[in-house]
Amino acid sequence: SSELTQDPAVSVALGQTVRITCQGDSLRNYYASWYQQKPGQAPVLVIFGKNYRPSGIPDRFSVSNSGNTASLTITGAQAQDEADYYCNSRDSSGIQYVFGTGTKVTVL
Amino acid sequence: EVQLVESGGVVVQPGGSLRLSCAASGFTFDDYAIHWVRQAPGKGLEWVSLISWDSGSTYYADSVKGRFTISRDNSKSSLFLQMNSLRAEDTALYYCAKDSEFRSDTAHFDSWGPGTLVTVSS
Repeated sequence: SSELTQDPAVSVALGQTVRITCQGDSLRNYYASWYQQKPGQAPVLVIFGKNYRPSGIPDRFSVSNSGNTASLTITGAQAQDEADYYCNSRDSSGIQYVFGTGTKVTVL
Repeated sequence: EVQLVESGGVVVQPGGSLRLSCAASGFTFDDYAIHWVRQAPGKGLEWVSLISWDSGSTYYADSVKGRFTISRDNSKSSLFLQMNSLRAEDTALYYCAKDSEFRSDTAHFDSWGPGTLVTVSS
């Protein structure tokens, strides 16, 4: 199966903007979904497809896609956004799924 | 409210077997594909398996293919994962996760259970 690569960690000042990237060959054919996971909790879907947010997810989360890269942007990061973020997508076979390596976001 | 609750996680010896369950409520279970996802201690998420809404299709990660079997009982709104020939590297918190699309499967897992811990150790 193919891989999705993310930067291990990023930091952002409170109220500023941070972008998290996810790279992989399968992203040329499939949209990524993004999940937020806080310590000791199950992941939560925050955004998927072109730019769809489940009910209750604030609009400071957005996505963009280009070639083999999907990007999650948090505009005006809040303290509660501090978490691990994972992308996922179908892999190149189309019948398996793969998660990204994860990015730890620290809000300073 | 959608709820998924996993159970069955225990300590098991290498080479042993285990069956995990996931009880679902709050939605029409037989209209949605369900996935198993695992997370080793301190590590990232790993997709394990998928079963379609009607059990017509099942898919597995290469790491578990031939050892794990996913199934579901729509009459009881329940999902299962039969795990055989367990290895130390199967040690993880196992989550069941609901797919977001009606009678399809996507990479959008919109509800997750709290997980059940499987430890493979002698």
